[in-house]
Amino acid sequence: TQLLEQSPQFLSIQEGENLTVYCNSSSVFSSLQWYRQEPGEGPVLLVTVVTGGEVKKLKRLTFQFGDARKDSSLHITAAQPGDTGLYLCAGVGYNTDKLIFGTGTRLQVFP
Amino acid sequence: GAGVSQSPSNKVTEKGKDVELRCDPISGHTALYWYRQSLGQGLEFLIYFQGNSAPDKSGLPSDRFSAERTGGSVSTLTIQRTQQEDSAVYLCASSPGTTINSPLHFGNGTRLTVT
Repeated sequence: TQLLEQSPQFLSIQEGENLTVYCNSSSVFSSLQWYRQEPGEGPVLLVTVVTGGEVKKLKRLTFQFGDARKDSSLHITAAQPGDTGLYLCAGVGYNTDKLIFGTGTRLQVFP
Repeated sequence: GAGVSQSPSNKVTEKGKDVELRCDPISGHTALYWYRQSLGQGLEFLIYFQGNSAPDKSGLPSDRFSAERTGGSVSTLTIQRTQQEDSAVYLCASSPGTTINSPLHFGNGTRLTVT
């Protein structure tokens, strides 16, 4: 069974602070996606990483896929209240198209 | 219809009753997923349909849960003899192709409450 553990589970910070969310597994994934979910809505895709060691930037968000393709991180610089939400990583294993989601990190950014 | 549509948005049912949850995917999307989410936590995979292939049912928690997808479009998730632990938000997502290059587009979910 492929499991994706995210840490921390909860994060509460002040506007302007930096933060990093981790997504770890003992399994290897062919690709990994990050989503953000707001209350009452479905998750929305932020980024897909495919290559081991890949780094992608989306404005103040930096995503990294581990060299061994077992882990990923999301770094937010100068967090804004609009970044508040539930962040979910999701991985696709080999020989499957099934997307498995992580345990989630709930971020609260206070003004 | 621009996005994935789920109905009803909320469902309250008594323990032991059957419920049907509906998902209308984005037109032309071949892949359809059902997930369950409890209390704003991570998503638990339930079932995956891809084109005309046999569905991946490996995430269904018990034989009380079943799903079908008619004509490669609309999907219905059925829960028989509901239990209180079935209370959760049930999310449907569709995708135009294989997941590695295709993001999932989610509906807003059906919030199921079993009393």
